[in-house]
Amino acid sequence: KAGVTQTPRYLIKTRGQQVTLSCSPISGHRSVSWYQQTPGQGLQFLFEYFSETQRNKGNFPGRFSGRQFSNSRSEMNVSTLELGDSALYLCASSFPSLGGYEQYFGPGTRLTVT
Amino acid sequence: TQLLEQSPQFLSIQEGENLTVYCNSSSVFSSLQWYRQEPGEGPVLLVTVVTGGEVKKLKRLTFQFGDARKDSSLHITAAQPGDTGLYLCAGGNGGSQGNLIFGKGTKLSVKP
Repeated sequence: KAGVTQTPRYLIKTRGQQVTLSCSPISGHRSVSWYQQTPGQGLQFLFEYFSETQRNKGNFPGRFSGRQFSNSRSEMNVSTLELGDSALYLCASSFPSLGGYEQYFGPGTRLTVT
Repeated sequence: TQLLEQSPQFLSIQEGENLTVYCNSSSVFSSLQWYRQEPGEGPVLLVTVVTGGEVKKLKRLTFQFGDARKDSSLHITAAQPGDTGLYLCAGGNGGSQGNLIFGKGTKLSVKP
């Protein structure tokens, strides 16, 4: 089975711009979660989509948004970029297992905001 | 707010030594996952534990879930340079909660 893929792998943007990141989950997985990883804060949950609906949301400003398509592929968008948005953005797809969700991560998109 | 505290934050050891990484919380989790992440890559799932007191072994790695499902440990026997990486624990709540709560990780360096 192919793993989770994310595009692009690297991105450099300027403050004030917007960016869209893409994630293709493992075939058959319907849940896609997004995380932001920074050295200081670690992995922080952004949001989760399941069957095209946002099911859970972390504590991030409204500049961060996402969506999921009928084929389970997902995109996340960050508008009005700030320097602090520089981070590794990780997408994870999952299927339910006993007691919880095992999440499988993509390689991430490294976003640098200058 | 559920939090997971990992310790130690950094660990540098020689090849062949044993080590233990701890993951603690005041909250109960339905499941606990351990991941390893290498620089520039996404975390890779190592194991999931779901039952209080459960012990799982993966070659030289031993994972334990606390009886109360609030803490976990990862023990590595005879560490090798290939074990180098960031080890992350993550707690799940099951059901419709598709997000995980992550600890900040333990950065392990194993020197030959």
